[in-house]
Amino acid sequence: EVQLLESGGGLVQPGGSLRLSCAASGFTFRSYAMSWVRQAPGKGLEWVSAISGSDGSTYYADSVKGRFTISRDNSKNTLYLQVNSLRAEDTAIYFCAKSTDLGYWYFDLWGRGTLVTVLS
Amino acid sequence: DIVMTQSPDSLAVSLGERATINCKSSQSVLYSSNNKNYLAWYQQKPGQPPKLLIYWASIRESGVPDRFSGSGSGTDFTLTISSLQAEDVAVYYCQQYYSTSSFGQGTKVEIK
Repeated sequence: EVQLLESGGGLVQPGGSLRLSCAASGFTFRSYAMSWVRQAPGKGLEWVSAISGSDGSTYYADSVKGRFTISRDNSKNTLYLQVNSLRAEDTAIYFCAKSTDLGYWYFDLWGRGTLVTVLS
Repeated sequence: DIVMTQSPDSLAVSLGERATINCKSSQSVLYSSNNKNYLAWYQQKPGQPPKLLIYWASIRESGVPDRFSGSGSGTDFTLTISSLQAEDVAVYYCQQYYSTSSFGQGTKVEIK
C-alpha cells in the first residue's frame, strides 16, 4: 500500500527540540522530492521545508530557517525533520507530503500528520 | 515570497448549485518556458490530510469527480464545483509551486 506515516511529535517546552520522522512505503522513495507542511490548530496550511530526491538539496520557509533541518535516509525510506529552538507558534500538526515523479512541488500523497505542541 | 490570497473565506451553497472559489497570487506563477501555471488545489475534510484535486491550474487528479474544475492563468485562478454535493463540504486551498511553495488561507464550503 502506498502510504506515509509520521511519528515523533509530542509536548515540548519552548526552546526544546524534537525529531519528526515519516516512513514511506509502496513507492520508490528515493525518486521523489518530499516536503513537510504544517497546520496550526484551526488554521491553514503552511509549507515548511522540502528536500529533493536526487541530490538532497534542501529548502526552507523563512519562518523556520536556521531552526529546522530536513533530511532523508533513502536506505530506510524515511524522511526526517529536526526541529530546534521551538516556539509556541510552531505548535501544529506536521504532515509529510510526496511530490510528483517530475519533482514539481504539488503533493499527491500525504500522511495523517504528527502533532507538535510547544507549551511551557 | 509569493503570497496566495483566496476569496471568499467561506461560502454556503445549496446542494446542486455552483460553488466558485478564487485564488490570487502576488506575482505570476506562469512559467514562460513551458507555458504552465504552477498552481494546485486541495480539499481538506475535518480530521483528514489534504487531498490533491487539481494541478497545473486545470488538470484534474485521477479519481477526482469531473464536477471539480480549475481555470485561470498568471495571477488569477478559480476552482469551480459545478454541482455541489454533500460530500464536498470541506476547506479548499490553492497552492503555488512556482517558487518553493505557499498556500492560500483556505475557503470553507458549507451547505446552505
